[in-house]
Amino acid sequence: AQKVTQAQTEISVVEKEDVTLDCVYETRDTTYYLFWYKQPPSGELVFLIRRNSFDEQNEISGRYSWNFQKSTSSFNFTITASQVVDSAVYFCALSAADAGGTSYGKLTFGQGTILTVHP
Amino acid sequence: NAGVTQTPKFQVLKTGQSMTLQCAQDMNHEYMSWYRQDPGMGLRLIHYSVGAGITDQGEVPNGYNVSRSTTEDFPLRLLSAAPSQTSVYFCASSYFVSNNEQFFGPGTRLTVL
Repeated sequence: AQKVTQAQTEISVVEKEDVTLDCVYETRDTTYYLFWYKQPPSGELVFLIRRNSFDEQNEISGRYSWNFQKSTSSFNFTITASQVVDSAVYFCALSAADAGGTSYGKLTFGQGTILTVHP
Repeated sequence: NAGVTQTPKFQVLKTGQSMTLQCAQDMNHEYMSWYRQDPGMGLRLIHYSVGAGITDQGEVPNGYNVSRSTTEDFPLRLLSAAPSQTSVYFCASSYFVSNNEQFFGPGTRLTVL
């Protein structure tokens, strides 16, 4: 069975602080995908990043960066110089895939981390 | 290209009533699924479909039925609503390729009294 744990239920920071959201996962599959989604107060789910299990390179996109470490089964998300607009619920998710890399799309989500950025 | 659409956006039901949540996508995605979101529990998979005529159960299927008669549509049916089904429901779709971004609909907020 797959499991995703986001140990931080809520995080509160002041604007311009850096913040890291933790994600730890469990899976027996050797091929899998990891995702981060953002859910702003408006309620929709916004895709942020997808990473496959064979690509351990860290990724940076503007103020966002992701640290994938298979050795610790973690896929942490850092926001640099946070802004009020970053306030949202953030979900980490996991999807298994076959040996050819085709994912069957069945996402297992973490519980979510509520991030509040104060001005 | 409307993406994934869901109707209604809000719904209030009485215990025992039935209803269908609609989901449609215009991206010709093979894969579609339904999730429910409850506080502190993230999103959980209810049912999914890998193509027209094929459906299967997810993590929390009890109390829900689905069918997939076309590639575009994937309705979720509540046969006899219960207060435990009060939740926000999301429909999602994606291609069956390694580049597997899931596209989510805007959600339906359901309250069962």
